[in-house]
Amino acid sequence: QLVESGGGSAEPGGSLRLSCAVSGFTFGRFAMNWVRQAPGKGLEWVSAISSSDGSTKYADPVRGRFTISRDNFKNTLFLQMNNLRADDTAVYYCARDSGVVMTAILHSWGQGTLVTVSS
Amino acid sequence: IVLTQSPATLSLSPGERATLSCRASHNIITYLAWYQQRPGQTPRLLIYDASYRAAGIPARFSGSGSGTDFTLTISSLEPEDFATYYCQQRANWPSTFGQGTKLEIK
Repeated sequence: QLVESGGGSAEPGGSLRLSCAVSGFTFGRFAMNWVRQAPGKGLEWVSAISSSDGSTKYADPVRGRFTISRDNFKNTLFLQMNNLRADDTAVYYCARDSGVVMTAILHSWGQGTLVTVSS
Repeated sequence: IVLTQSPATLSLSPGERATLSCRASHNIITYLAWYQQRPGQTPRLLIYDASYRAAGIPARFSGSGSGTDFTLTISSLEPEDFATYYCQQRANWPSTFGQGTKLEIK
């Protein structure tokens, strides 16, 4: 089970920190991803983090503004979002990868948390 | 890498065969996945690496293709199959999705 939290409203230029609490599988054995979906739009892959060395990947629109991280002891994935823009408005999903290495094969998904960026 | 899905909308009846296409702007070998998203629900992995069904996915779903052209086939549509389908490439970072094909009841 993957449960996202931390969504809400923010002003342009503001920050939010999303969390994804994981249960039901050994969190430390899987890379993890964030994917977002703007209202009424398609899916957009955002970021990934490996389970072992903490290596990360980012989509171009968020690189330099968003930071993915994880706490393997607390079974939790994070997404720190800074300098938010209106086009960051979306439901943000966390998703489990195939294994230790980042593959972006998204085997299971949380229910998502809505982020709204507006003045 | 840009993925282009066609058609944007596909209207079929239960029991019919559905064929959805995904074309990549560059060679992605077989690093393509398909996801299903029913209205109001979370996406679900159907197929990965072009042709491997994910756990628990019915055999009526199959994937094929390599290089730049890929196909998702649903052999006989069930009522619960009417949804939006997305392809996704993982050949190069960043991973990218297609814009989706909406499969609607005719």
